[in-house]
Amino acid sequence: EPEVTQTPSHQVTQMGQEVILRCVPISNHLYFYWYRQILGQKVEFLVSFYNNEISEKSEIFDDQFSVERPDGSNFTLKIRSTKLEDSAMYFCASSTTLGQGGETQYFGPGTRLLVL
Amino acid sequence: SQQGEEDPQALSIQEGENATMNCSYKTSINNLQWYRQNSGRGLVHLILIRSNEREKHSGRLRVTLDTSKKSSSLLITASRAADTASYFCASQGAQKLVFGQGTRLTINP
Repeated sequence: EPEVTQTPSHQVTQMGQEVILRCVPISNHLYFYWYRQILGQKVEFLVSFYNNEISEKSEIFDDQFSVERPDGSNFTLKIRSTKLEDSAMYFCASSTTLGQGGETQYFGPGTRLLVL
Repeated sequence: SQQGEEDPQALSIQEGENATMNCSYKTSINNLQWYRQNSGRGLVHLILIRSNEREKHSGRLRVTLDTSKKSSSLLITASRAADTASYFCASQGAQKLVFGQGTRLTINP
């Protein structure tokens, strides 16, 4: 069964460093998302991406964040200058279409980011 | 903004019993989805119920949706030790999912 994959599974970085989190969505999916979950808190939406552009973003997704689909398979989240509060589990998700009534979003296993 | 909130925050039952978790949200939605998360792991999709549906079944799962009360419930019947996990509801309007705080379910053998 197709699934969303994410790399790396864990990343430790120093405050102020740039990190790139990578995701391979399910191959026939058209909508891509990033969410994050700070330890012990709820999952929060960051950004959605369709047709090579951001379609929606949250207040969390400020200028330090960017997303890119560099080729036909990968979808990346870049944090330019990490802060301590960026420590969280980052989830990538994808769905086929929005459709009427929406569609299931399938999540990857997550990347646990720790900023020291 | 939409906010899904689960009730209870934690639930502990004996194996074989049924577990019911409730969720509320605040704005109009296209659908509501339930996910499961084992400790520190990824989110596994369980079931999606559309705004024009009132009840949906999948195996031992039964989900209801009451759009007039902006609430949903997830029932797990005949619980098993392997059902121990956190369960989240997520409401979807246009694109993004808005997650609740989750219910931590523990099934005691």
